[in-house]
Amino acid sequence: KQEVTQIPAALSVPEGENLVLNCSFTDSAIYNLQWFRQDPGKGLTSLLLIQSSQREQTSGRLNASLDKSSGRSTLYIAASQPGDSATYLCAVLAGGFKTIFGAGTRLFVKA
Amino acid sequence: NAGVTQTPKFQVLKTGQSMTLQCAQDMNHNSMYWYRQDPGMGLRLIYYSASEGTTDKGEVPNGYNVSRLNKREFSLRLESAAPSQTSVYFCASSEEGKNTEAFFGQGTRLTVV
Repeated sequence: KQEVTQIPAALSVPEGENLVLNCSFTDSAIYNLQWFRQDPGKGLTSLLLIQSSQREQTSGRLNASLDKSSGRSTLYIAASQPGDSATYLCAVLAGGFKTIFGAGTRLFVKA
Repeated sequence: NAGVTQTPKFQVLKTGQSMTLQCAQDMNHNSMYWYRQDPGMGLRLIYYSASEGTTDKGEVPNGYNVSRLNKREFSLRLESAAPSQTSVYFCASSEEGKNTEAFFGQGTRLTVV
């Protein structure tokens, strides 16, 4: 059974710091991995989608990597800003059409 | 630029009452999903519809039913609500295929008392 774990559960950093969020999954047979952002009381916003054949994706200050063989993905946020404060979720698309989510990392960027 | 629209946004039910959560997408996506989100547990898949006319159980289907009314709409029904169904419910959609993004609605916050 596919399980997705995100570490740390919560993170507080000063503004301007570069940071890394971690995501691990137990079954390497995935089709893709997606990183989402969720603001309090809101829905999920897609940040980056990495297909199983790719190693990384970049969007602005965000860079996501994927290592299928080790079952790991990282989301790198450069020069963090208070507006980056949110919960970040990773999700893997495994067998069929089932997307399995991690519990998320709650990020707080202090001004 | 609506994307995925869910109604209602908030709902309070008494134990045993029934209700239907509505979801519609305007992106011509084939696949639609219903998730629930509980504190510390991430999102869990309740039901999904790979394409119009098909529905399948996800991880936590008990106590729920779904209808894929047409390509745009996918509803979730609670026949007899229980306090354990207090949660935030999200609808999502994606194109058919395994390398496509999922797009989410804003959620329905349901409380069962």
